[in-house]
Amino acid sequence: EADIYQTPRYLVIGTGKKITLECSQTMGHDKMYWYQQDPGMELHLIHYSYGVNSTEKGDLSSESTVSRIRTEHFPLTLESARPSHTSQYLCASGTSGTDTQYFGPGTRLTVL
Amino acid sequence: LAKTTQPISMDSYEGQEVNITCSHNNIATNDYITWYQQFPSQGPRFIIQGYKTKVTNEVASLFIPADRKSSTLSLPRVSLSDTAVYYCLVGETWNSGYALNFGKGTSLLVTP
Repeated sequence: EADIYQTPRYLVIGTGKKITLECSQTMGHDKMYWYQQDPGMELHLIHYSYGVNSTEKGDLSSESTVSRIRTEHFPLTLESARPSHTSQYLCASGTSGTDTQYFGPGTRLTVL
Repeated sequence: LAKTTQPISMDSYEGQEVNITCSHNNIATNDYITWYQQFPSQGPRFIIQGYKTKVTNEVASLFIPADRKSSTLSLPRVSLSDTAVYYCLVGETWNSGYALNFGKGTSLLVTP
């Protein structure tokens, strides 16, 4: 099992606040991903990275931004949270080649 | 772009073998087929991956015919704890890299 961590696990925040969701992995994986998933619904890829200084937007438009300054760290930032951002955010990492992904426990975000 | 089609839901009784078939008619030569399992409020977990023929591990078997246009995940003797959503993924390229679409998955319900 890969070691991938997300903090916080749960976050309740007011509209307009800036938030950063943390994701770290200790496997040295080049690839990292952020997904958004509402309860009982599909996972939607919102950001991914192939390595340091590489970031791409996924197939779901998102107002969030990401950065990849270090291999092990892939934080996601919302500059101004809105109720529509309420969702579960899942971070994953993986190796090149076979695209196996290892997921973190997720952050459940609620914006009031 | 490879796209997958799998049943929305399946029901089974404990102790039975469950086979979930996924269609991927446009699979590319270099694509792998990967299956994930997801429990509510958790991130997906890698189950098995294959390229052709048959792959077996301690959890499941994956059968891939010669034309690779479909694959079947086989879960032997399911238990209640196998109730989950199962996703079939095929590696696909998007712009300069890989972006995986989890789709809706197959919701498996195992009952006593």
